[in-house]
Amino acid sequence: QSALTQPPSASGSPGQSVTISCTGTSSDVGRYNYVSWYQQHAGKAPKLIIYEVTKRPSGVPDRFSGSKSGNTASLTVSGLQAEDEADYYCSSYAGSNNVVFGGGTKLTVL
Amino acid sequence: QLQLQESGPGLVKPSETLSLTCTVSGDSITRNGYYWGWIRQPPGKGLEWIGNILYSGVTYYNPSLKSRVTVSVDTSKNQFSLKLSSVTAADTAIYYCARVVATAFSWFDPWGQGTLVTASS
Repeated sequence: QSALTQPPSASGSPGQSVTISCTGTSSDVGRYNYVSWYQQHAGKAPKLIIYEVTKRPSGVPDRFSGSKSGNTASLTVSGLQAEDEADYYCSSYAGSNNVVFGGGTKLTVL
Repeated sequence: QLQLQESGPGLVKPSETLSLTCTVSGDSITRNGYYWGWIRQPPGKGLEWIGNILYSGVTYYNPSLKSRVTVSVDTSKNQFSLKLSSVTAADTAIYYCARVVATAFSWFDPWGQGTLVTASS
């Protein structure tokens, strides 16, 4: 199984929107609606912010939204805030009881 | 509130076995609907799934690590454990444990704080 493909970096100014892509294959992202997104601040453990492609856990601001088209999932952060600066990782169920993560995207708030 | 805490040696010699334990508090590890998982992150790199276990002992492993990994559970202590054999420098990483929603198999929440394990002589 190969890792999902994410851009290494993304950036935006406060108040702007930024979208991070996560590209897999028809065997993982394209087949299952089990894409999750995690936010990881420096030196901290990852935190779930999106599950099942579009759903937000309680307490996650609605500025974070998820979507999927074909083999590519996306995370959009609207109304960027300084506290959103972090690494973001996607993951997907890959069938046959396997899980695959993306390589991560470093989001910089300019 | 559910909390997970990893524990174990921070230094392992090459060719030896890495052993970690995850202690679950705030809920029973036998609650239906959940797996319990291990994920690792080499310094400065991305996340890698290691394996998931059900409280009954059913396990699923990353194919790339399967030959060296054993995950077990101790329901009496509300703990689950990871053993990784024949470690090399490439196994140096922060090791996290997490709860996993069974239906999705890949939805990890919450995570432990992580523990750094260095493979070095």
